[in-house]
Amino acid sequence: DTGVSQNPRHKITKRGQNVTFRCDPISEHNRLYWYRQTLGQGPEFLTYFQNEAQLEKSRLLSDRFSAERPKGSFSTLEIQRTEQGDSAMYLCASSPRQRMNTEAFFGQGTRLTVV
Amino acid sequence: KNEVEQSPQNLTAQEGEFITINCSYSVGISALHWLQQHPGGGIVSLFMLSSGKKKHGRLIATINIQEKHSSLHITASHPRDSAVYICAVRRNTDKLIFGTGTRLQVFP
Repeated sequence: DTGVSQNPRHKITKRGQNVTFRCDPISEHNRLYWYRQTLGQGPEFLTYFQNEAQLEKSRLLSDRFSAERPKGSFSTLEIQRTEQGDSAMYLCASSPRQRMNTEAFFGQGTRLTVV
Repeated sequence: KNEVEQSPQNLTAQEGEFITINCSYSVGISALHWLQQHPGGGIVSLFMLSSGKKKHGRLIATINIQEKHSSLHITASHPRDSAVYICAVRRNTDKLIFGTGTRLQVFP
């Protein structure tokens, strides 16, 4: 297993365009998390899935953001009509079936720059 | 006030020095994580603690649940330890709440 994989690693887009990021979790992990990290700050929670069900969404996740995990495996995060304030590192993490006190496994992140 | 506070924000050290990074939190937690982030963004989990102390190589992490405080220590620091160290807490839900990180630079 190669760990949590995110694609692309970098994305530069013009303001107003739509972008989609993909996260492939560790294969036996049923929980998948999306976080956003702006420069000089710690990551902030966006949303998380248990299998294909989206269980919690942060109020940071405006209506321009949508996340899916259609078959309970990989997940996509789409941002519509991107704004310069969306520029950030988008991190995906996964964890195994046990509910509490599990290690955190992170991907390398997708760095989005909106110009 | 952030639920997770780290100090210092920035830290420079000479190779070989003993380093301490502190984390205080204001909420009830089920576990605390110490994470390492290198330039380029990837985050690696160093420790997960719910009580006591853990050691891995030159790294030691401690937690005092009553005082809501944790420390990460690096003994015999090395330039390759240069990174951002992030404290994160897990509450009753599974999501993590992160501190803003401590940027460590170790010079030869």
